[in-house]
Amino acid sequence: KAGVTQTPRYLIKTRGQQVTLSCSPISGHRSVSWYQQTPGQGLQFLFEYFSETQRNKGNFPGRFSGRQFSNSRSEMNVSTLELGDSALYLCASSPGADSNQPQHFGDGTRLSIL
Amino acid sequence: DQQVKQNSPSLSVQEGRISILNCDYTNSMFDYFLWYKKYPAEGPTFLISISSIKDKNEDGRFTVFLNKSAKHLSLHIVPSQPGDSAVYFCAATRQGNTPLVFGKGTRLSVIA
Repeated sequence: KAGVTQTPRYLIKTRGQQVTLSCSPISGHRSVSWYQQTPGQGLQFLFEYFSETQRNKGNFPGRFSGRQFSNSRSEMNVSTLELGDSALYLCASSPGADSNQPQHFGDGTRLSIL
Repeated sequence: DQQVKQNSPSLSVQEGRISILNCDYTNSMFDYFLWYKKYPAEGPTFLISISSIKDKNEDGRFTVFLNKSAKHLSLHIVPSQPGDSAVYFCAATRQGNTPLVFGKGTRLSVIA
């Protein structure tokens, strides 16, 4: 069974640009969550999508947005990039009906802002 | 306000000995807890979980203990192996499709 796939793996952008990251969940999983990991920090929750609807949202500015498609694939967009947005962005999927099911993570997209 | 805390940033253990990783939480509404392991350049991998109705869950070399009154959980790895060297994250959530809340991780080094 294929795991969670995130593309691209690495990305370099400059301040002010925007970026779109993609996540393909495990087949049959309907919930996709996004996390940001920065040095010295744990994983900070960005948002979760379930059946194309945002079900939960973390404490990030509106520059961070996402969406989910009918095939459960998800994209995350960050506009007006800032230096502090440099991080590892992780996507995780789960079957979604119950939060008491482990999330399975992709290998992340490492975003560097110059 | 950090709801899940892993107070030891790093831990070194000799191969064959027990590794004990600790995690504290402040939100008494949390009722499901998970441990993830993360290698460099890879995403976190689910290890083991425990529901608040239990105080222990075991899976091979990995055992998680939950002390609800102390709001504390721990992960025991016995025996520790060099391949266990990684960053371990503790996470917590509560029923109702709420997000996972992660600690900042503990880097475990198992020395041969």
